[in-house]
Amino acid sequence: EVQLVESGGGLVQPGRSLKLSCAASGFTFSDYAMAWVRQAPKKGLEWVATIIYDGSSTYYRDSVKGRFTISRDNAKSTLYLQMDSLRSEDTATYYCARHSTGLDYWGQGVMVTVSS
Amino acid sequence: DVVMTQTPPSLSVAIGQSVSISCKSSQSLVASDKNTYLNWLLQSPGRSPKRLIYQVSKLDSGVPDRFSGSGSEKDFTLKISRVEAEDLGVYYCLQGTHLPFTFGSGTKLEIK
Repeated sequence: EVQLVESGGGLVQPGRSLKLSCAASGFTFSDYAMAWVRQAPKKGLEWVATIIYDGSSTYYRDSVKGRFTISRDNAKSTLYLQMDSLRSEDTATYYCARHSTGLDYWGQGVMVTVSS
Repeated sequence: DVVMTQTPPSLSVAIGQSVSISCKSSQSLVASDKNTYLNWLLQSPGRSPKRLIYQVSKLDSGVPDRFSGSGSEKDFTLKISRVEAEDLGVYYCLQGTHLPFTFGSGTKLEIK
């Protein structure tokens, strides 16, 4: 059974940093590209970043470029999202998702609140 | 970025009825490999999204055949035949052909 379990969320002040993790199991993690998608409170879904299977290429939405870094450790089957210079508009539930003809499996999500 | 225009924003339907949701993209979703990466997702209340359909019309494992997808190029439809209570939630289309991936704004399905 494919499982994606996010962790690392919480309350953080504007301008500070936070690092999210996503532990994967039930599939060969190193075979798949992975993504982070977020959902602001009561809002729709928004793709944030993607990393290909071996970590050699990454892609970001414009609003997070230069502030967020997606990475992975295939030996640990874990995906990461380093979030720096956080802003109030980054407040959202963050989901990790597996790439397969779109996004086929999603984690349960982790809440990030940016507020003073 | 590709804009995904999803309608209607909400639907209220009785059990056993059928409904359709539309999603139109601002660009063709046919990829260079000739596949069309259009997904339909359901986010049930308090849950994370679950994919129902990929590549326009292919059902994910375990998805009831009451769900069907159709369309091509820039115009796509999700149909739910014989709606059941468990179908309530917000439905999203997702295009995975062009980066950045983009989602429709969602259709909230309520049961009368």
